[in-house]
Amino acid sequence: LAKTTQPISMDSYEGQEVNITCSHNNIATNDYITWYQQFPSQGPRFIIQGYKTKVTNEVASLFIPADRKSSTLSLPRVSLSDTAVYYCLVGDTGFQKLVFGTGTRLLVSP
Amino acid sequence: SAVISQKPSRDICQRGTSLTIQCQVDSQVTMMFWYRQQPGQSLTLIATANQGSEATYESGFVIDKFPISRPNLTFSTLTVSNMSPEDSSIYLCSVPGLRAGEQYFGPGTRLTVT
Repeated sequence: LAKTTQPISMDSYEGQEVNITCSHNNIATNDYITWYQQFPSQGPRFIIQGYKTKVTNEVASLFIPADRKSSTLSLPRVSLSDTAVYYCLVGDTGFQKLVFGTGTRLLVSP
Repeated sequence: SAVISQKPSRDICQRGTSLTIQCQVDSQVTMMFWYRQQPGQSLTLIATANQGSEATYESGFVIDKFPISRPNLTFSTLTVSNMSPEDSSIYLCSVPGLRAGEQYFGPGTRLTVT
């Protein structure tokens, strides 16, 4: 499983767009990139997954460059309730074991 | 998505004792996972529990310390044995989702060992 590197923390204000970048230099051809969100006192929650280019859902967008050595989770117009820890994970289509890195602690202020 | 419940939600235990944590899923699943999250830290996989076979433990975790049962396709237990303060953590169970790399997590059990 490829190792991922993320910023430890980020600060933002309500209404701003937040971009969290994850580095995964050793990503393999069959690997997907998956992001989880964890609120205090809750289990992690799947946010989005992608393989290349761009993926968008109702919560976030995921941008993946051609070399796939990094990815960026984009949260549009964050609110206070987006304050959480965001984890980037990498694994192939058959993988079940999730290896969580340190994650990025996002703090959204009024 | 699967709905997962855990019991107890939290407990305070004395060192040297054992605690069994229950995980119940609202659908049948082949694989269940147990994670530990120490205070302020990320999640670490303890073991994978398959129904009808022995659990598979990750490096650093042993069956004598964390025995796991998987009696059917909707239920599993994790026991934290002979506890010490270092075992104070949140313990979470999870099951695979439909997409690769997707898992549904329970709310966790917050354990404090004094």
